[in-house]
Amino acid sequence: DVKVTQSSRYLVKRTGEKVFLECVQDMDHENMFWYRQDPGLGLRLIYFSYDVKMKEKGDIPEGYSVSREKKERFSLILESASTNQTSMYLCASSLHRANTEAFFGQGTRLTVV
Amino acid sequence: GEDVEQSLFLSVREGDSSVINCTYTDSSSTYLYWYKQEPGAGLQLLTYIFSNMDMKQDQRLTVLLNKKDKHLSLRIADTQTGDSAIYFCAESKSASKIIFGSGTRLSIRP
Repeated sequence: DVKVTQSSRYLVKRTGEKVFLECVQDMDHENMFWYRQDPGLGLRLIYFSYDVKMKEKGDIPEGYSVSREKKERFSLILESASTNQTSMYLCASSLHRANTEAFFGQGTRLTVV
Repeated sequence: GEDVEQSLFLSVREGDSSVINCTYTDSSSTYLYWYKQEPGAGLQLLTYIFSNMDMKQDQRLTVLLNKKDKHLSLRIADTQTGDSAIYFCAESKSASKIIFGSGTRLSIRP
């Protein structure tokens, strides 16, 4: 079974903190993605990566950065957390080809207080 | 542009058919998907259809594609309580980008 594992299910952080969300996949997928999910807005792509050390901005990259030092790991960084970053964060991975299924982690519900 | 739209809620009676609709704007999309998200979980691929097909059937699921109107639908026959979830329509036209709709929350009435 393909597994995409996110390091935390729930996180509570304070405004201004630096936050790291970690994601690991075990299927040797080239692509990895970070989305945030908000009610009524669906999934919005924050960043994606199609190779080690490569990254591309998605639709809402402001306030976030990412790191892909190893193929299996993709980290999302909130440089200075703000309350409007309270959300569900979903990591996904896929092969780098069309008609490919994206495999999702369980999600991390982040609350910034 | 890239935009995938769905209605946010659907309520059906147990045993009836559910039809979830989606419209997309990018006619160059080659693959269209339906993902299911159960409470507290990530998304899982339910089914997909290639853009040169009109219909795909898989057990209780039927996907219909109208390319002219850029309309995709998912029909679930004999809807059960276990079908309660959020259903996302998605389109993909490249090796590295999938665009998701806002999701339709399906609830089942007894």
